[in-house]
Amino acid sequence: TQLLEQSPQFLSIQEGENLTVYCNSSSVFSSLQWYRQEPGEGPVLLVTVVTGGEVKKLKRLTFQFGDARKDSSLHITAAQPGDTGLYLCAGAGGFQKLVFGTGTRLLVSP
Amino acid sequence: GAGVSQTPSNKVTEKGKYVELRCDPISGHTALYWYRQSLGQGPEFLIYFQGTGAADDSGLPNDRFFAVRPEGSVSTLKIQRTERGDSAVYLCASSSGTSGVNEQFFGPGTRLTVL
Repeated sequence: TQLLEQSPQFLSIQEGENLTVYCNSSSVFSSLQWYRQEPGEGPVLLVTVVTGGEVKKLKRLTFQFGDARKDSSLHITAAQPGDTGLYLCAGAGGFQKLVFGTGTRLLVSP
Repeated sequence: GAGVSQTPSNKVTEKGKYVELRCDPISGHTALYWYRQSLGQGPEFLIYFQGTGAADDSGLPNDRFFAVRPEGSVSTLKIQRTERGDSAVYLCASSSGTSGVNEQFFGPGTRLTVL
């Protein structure tokens, strides 16, 4: 069974702080995706990483895929209240189901 | 519409009743997925369609759950003899099924409450 563990589970920080969320697995994935979900809505895709060691930047968000394609991290610089939400990593193995991580709930206070 | 839509947005039913949840995928997307999300957790896979056929139904918890996609577009998730443990948000997603990366686009979900 493929499992994705995220840490931390919950993070409460002040506006302007930096943070890193980790996503770890013992399984290899062909690609890994990061989603953000807000209450009452479905997950929204932020980024897809495919190549081991790949780094992608989306404004203040930096995503990295581990060299062995088993883990990933999301780093947010100078967090803002609008970054508040549930962050989910998800591993994909082709055109099949996504295996979602346990989720990290982020709260950024003004 | 441009995105995945799901109806109803909320469904309250009594234990033992039958419910149907509907998903309209993005136009032209051949792959459609159903997930179930419990409070505070990540979505869990239920079933995946490629066209009209169920390519993988390994996530359906038991035979009370069934899904169809008769014309390769709209899908309906059907739950018989509902139980309180079925209460969750049911998410639908679609993808083009043609690119090299499986990027799935999610609907807003249907919140099912079984009393």
